[in-house]
Amino acid sequence: GQNIDQPTEMTATEGAIVQINCTYQTSGFNGLFWYQQHAGEAPTFLSYNVLDGLEEKGRFSSFLSRSKGYSYLLLKELQMKDSASYLCAFNDYKLSFGAGTTVTVRA
Amino acid sequence: ETGVTQTPRHLVMGMTNKKSLKCEQHLGHNAMYWYKQSAKKPLELMFVYNFKEQTENNSVPSRFSPECPNSSHLFLHLHTLQPEDSALYLCASSQRAPGGEAPLHFGNGTRLTVT
Repeated sequence: GQNIDQPTEMTATEGAIVQINCTYQTSGFNGLFWYQQHAGEAPTFLSYNVLDGLEEKGRFSSFLSRSKGYSYLLLKELQMKDSASYLCAFNDYKLSFGAGTTVTVRA
Repeated sequence: ETGVTQTPRHLVMGMTNKKSLKCEQHLGHNAMYWYKQSAKKPLELMFVYNFKEQTENNSVPSRFSPECPNSSHLFLHLHTLQPEDSALYLCASSQRAPGGEAPLHFGNGTRLTVT
């Protein structure tokens, strides 16, 4: 997990957009995952990118650039329930996680 | 309901105690995992089992002993732990071991405190 970087905390207003960046370094790559984890709960799967480009799922989108070792998770039309930690993880022969980005949504 | 159930949710134990964490998955998956989650740190992979066979031991101290009697159940036996072992222990399962697009499904974890 030491070769994945994501911001520690982000704060945004309800209804706004927030972009969580994730950079990684690996010699082997087989996809990138984003998970959401509410306090005291299990991480839940949000998205998976294996090819370059943008994957959209409702209010959440995830982008990947393999050449740059870069991904982002875009949260649109933020709601209070989106306050959580967002974990970036890349897949070589096992999943390696970042430390997570805590997003706080304010009214 | 996550499909992966962990018990107990909370555990407080002394350094000389022996306890076990239990995980059960109801998803028909073939791979199961133990992760350690400490505050502000990345999830640390501890063990991986694929079709009941251990395929990964990520240099975990021997005071942690995993057991996987079948593809649906996973245990983590604890003994002679240290205070720095206090953390959230997460169990997860996936259709198969990492290497593909199969996502992990996590349980809610056991919050362990070693006194």
